[in-house]
Amino acid sequence: DAGITQSPRHKVTETGTPVTLRCHQTENHRYMYWYRQDPGHGLRLIHYSYGVKDTDKGEVSDGYSVSRSKTEDFLLTLESATSSQTSVYFCAISESGGLPEAFFGQGTRLTVV
Amino acid sequence: AQSVTQLGSHVSVSEGALVLLRCNYSSSVPPYLFWYVQYPNQGLQLLLKYTTGATLVKGINGFEAEFKKSETSFHLTKPSAHMSDAAEYFCAVTQPASSYKLIFGSGTRLLVRP
Repeated sequence: DAGITQSPRHKVTETGTPVTLRCHQTENHRYMYWYRQDPGHGLRLIHYSYGVKDTDKGEVSDGYSVSRSKTEDFLLTLESATSSQTSVYFCAISESGGLPEAFFGQGTRLTVV
Repeated sequence: AQSVTQLGSHVSVSEGALVLLRCNYSSSVPPYLFWYVQYPNQGLQLLLKYTTGATLVKGINGFEAEFKKSETSFHLTKPSAHMSDAAEYFCAVTQPASSYKLIFGSGTRLLVRP
């Protein structure tokens, strides 16, 4: 299994509070991604990174920010959590060149009450 | 823009029967195509991928898929279903110029009846 660790694995938070999810990789892969999974929607890209301090928005980025200060860590922050952000969040990594496939973490189940 | 359509949110087969999960894609450039499987409360695991070359690709657990450019399809098949194949399956597309961002279909849940 690819070395990807997401923390926390489960979290319950109140509406309006900030929340930070962490993704840590040991593979030294260039690209890192945050997706959210909701029934009927598959997985949708929130933000991604193509290098240290290099990030860009994905399909559903409103209300989220990210940071990548080290190759191995990619943080996702919900600036002010809302009930619509209740979801399962997955981190993924990939490398350029001959290995285009992404490897996924185990996910973080976030509930906003 | 790229997109993926998976026909059938649920597919039910008998154990030992053929599994066919459908995936159609839209892409203006040659795509890279993937099938992932997700077991309950787990992350996604790569089943197989198509990048270039042979259009029939084999993956883990006896699954295979065929890239048909003329039909813009990448259907997933397995000759004989096993109870352990029950899971959710996702088709996805990407391309190098997009930083390998994956565009997913909405998923198909495979049920295997004894």
